[in-house]
Amino acid sequence: GNSVTQMEGPVTLSEEAFLTINCTYTATGYPSLFWYVQYPGEGLQLLLKATKADDKGSNKGFEATYRKETTSFHLEKGSVQVSDSAVYFCALLPWGDSWGKLQFGAGTQVVVTP
Amino acid sequence: GAGVSQSPRYKVAKRGQDVALRCDPISGHVSLFWYQQALGQGPEFLTYFQNEAQLDKSGLPSDRFFAERPEGSVSTLKIQRTQQEDSAVYLCASSLAGRAMDTQYFGPGTRLTVL
Repeated sequence: GNSVTQMEGPVTLSEEAFLTINCTYTATGYPSLFWYVQYPGEGLQLLLKATKADDKGSNKGFEATYRKETTSFHLEKGSVQVSDSAVYFCALLPWGDSWGKLQFGAGTQVVVTP
Repeated sequence: GAGVSQSPRYKVAKRGQDVALRCDPISGHVSLFWYQQALGQGPEFLTYFQNEAQLDKSGLPSDRFFAERPEGSVSTLKIQRTQQEDSAVYLCASSLAGRAMDTQYFGPGTRLTVL
């Protein structure tokens, strides 16, 4: 079956540091890939997405590239801020899915200190 | 504008009680999803509605779980005879149309604790 694996947290780093959160997936065909973010006390929000191999999703300084050869979708940001402290979820939409039935990884908590 | 709202935000139930969790999607959104998020885990799909039709309930863990959306807007997730393993955050999400790639907008969730 399909699955998403992401690095365990918490990831603690200083403001202006470089952030990478690893995400790998197992799926048949050509899934679509997403990163969602959950800020404290809020609902999950779509951060970025990519629908085919070599696509790069980007938003708010975050980027992720859909790598089919390594089945990965790692999230990166060059210079984090305290406001980026949140839980980040990698997710996939199975190839051929009709409704939008997302499958999520376990989430990675990121803590950015001043 | 208003986002997805859920109520109650917190619910404590004794084992064996029935509970009802409410979701108010964004107005006009056709699609509505329920997910279950256990502690330290990502959300897991429970069920999907397109307007009032429940098109997929493959994720409901047992026949104690029941969901409805009778008028194609507000949805209720009901859990009968709650068990401790039902303790989780229940998330509702809505999206504009019945397309798989439409952005899903999530509510803040209802945290259910079964004692």
